[in-house]
Amino acid sequence: GAVVSQHPSRVICKSGTSVKIECRSLDFQATTMFWYRQFPKKSLMLMATSNEGSKATYEQGVEKDKFLINHASLTLSTLTVTSAHPEDSSFYICSARKAGGLYNEQFFGPGTRLTVL
Amino acid sequence: GESVGLHLPTLSVQEGDNSIINCAYSNSASDYFIWYKQESGKGPQFIIDIRSNMDKRQGQRVTVLLNKTVKHLSLQIAATQPGDSAVYFCAERSGAQKLVFGQGTRLTINP
Repeated sequence: GAVVSQHPSRVICKSGTSVKIECRSLDFQATTMFWYRQFPKKSLMLMATSNEGSKATYEQGVEKDKFLINHASLTLSTLTVTSAHPEDSSFYICSARKAGGLYNEQFFGPGTRLTVL
Repeated sequence: GESVGLHLPTLSVQEGDNSIINCAYSNSASDYFIWYKQESGKGPQFIIDIRSNMDKRQGQRVTVLLNKTVKHLSLQIAATQPGDSAVYFCAERSGAQKLVFGQGTRLTINP
């Protein structure tokens, strides 16, 4: 149990286009989902926290108009990178916190590799 | 501010030996700690966790030790195998707050 999926796993796009990444909790309900960004050989950097049905909370320095997050249901959150540029190329990882979990367990998706040409 | 760091960025061990990965944290209010394993091109995989009311917890081939006095966390992997090669991250959290990740340690296994 506690599986989180992401789609797509890898995407290459042209500069100026928008890219949507989906994050789904497959076998549990997630009241809270998190989006991280990871650069090569670096740790995970939290971008934003989203709660189902409400606006996402962005970390300092993360542009909310650039990285649009929608958490429409207890099993789905989406991250849209708008007008992507090469510097947005990165590994994006989502995480879902299990509703009602004993220790608020948090499970991670497999990540999405975004390459902007 | 809050920070979680690791003493060693890389660790190389012989196959079959035990591995010990260390982590220091600075937030004394943290009450929940987790170790994650991340293989190349994949998301973090939960290994083991521990709450602040414990000082040791064991899993299958892994043990986590927590020393709150010196704010130190360690992950011990017994009989290290080639499949254990990965980057290991510690993470800490205070209550329902966000996870704070350490910098990561790359574990490599020598045959």
